[in-house]
Amino acid sequence: ILNVEQSPQSLHVQEGDSTNFTCSFPSSNFYALHWYRWETAKSPEALFVMTLNGDEKKKGRISATLNTKEGYSYLYIKGSQPEDSATYLCAFSSGGSYIPTFGRGTSLIVHP
Amino acid sequence: NAGVTQTPKFRILKIGQSMTLQCTQDMNHNYMYWYRQDPGMGLKLIYYSVGAGITDKGEVPNGYNVSRSTTEDFPLRLELAAPSQTSVYFCASSINQNTEAFFGQGTRLTVV
Repeated sequence: ILNVEQSPQSLHVQEGDSTNFTCSFPSSNFYALHWYRWETAKSPEALFVMTLNGDEKKKGRISATLNTKEGYSYLYIKGSQPEDSATYLCAFSSGGSYIPTFGRGTSLIVHP
Repeated sequence: NAGVTQTPKFRILKIGQSMTLQCTQDMNHNYMYWYRQDPGMGLKLIYYSVGAGITDKGEVPNGYNVSRSTTEDFPLRLELAAPSQTSVYFCASSINQNTEAFFGQGTRLTVV
């Protein structure tokens, strides 16, 4: 079982704040790192799939970076809006099984 | 496109009953997955399939069975339902292990 850790577990910010959270994963035998956004009462939706060390991906106000050598990825949200409130999941796959293992998620609440 | 469709959306089972959760996708994806989501625990992989006729266990397979007779369908069978199987179940599919997964809307199952 691969150990995928996300921090913090939850986060409350004010509208307009920028924020970031972390996904930590084993640094050996890296294959891919996925980020998903999961709104309450909906199903997870993919944000990014990252495969190369140093990868940076961006979608609107959300961006992500990847460091496979030290085993972490950061997700950044610039100028948070109430509609950004969701749980953000990361999923790591290794060169062993290739099937993604999910972290427990970071719950973000953006207050107007 | 319908994407990934799960049925039913809700179900209450009595201890010892059995049922099948249906999952179908119309994107011609090779990979399909079943996850369960328990409060505070993220998504745990039950079973997955990399193509028709091929299935494999995930992290928490006990008490479940799957089959993959076609590319489109990946039903999850619960035999002898137990209270520990009370959870929200998500089916997902992807082109391969390196691409984003698309999730169904989930099935909320309660075993009493």
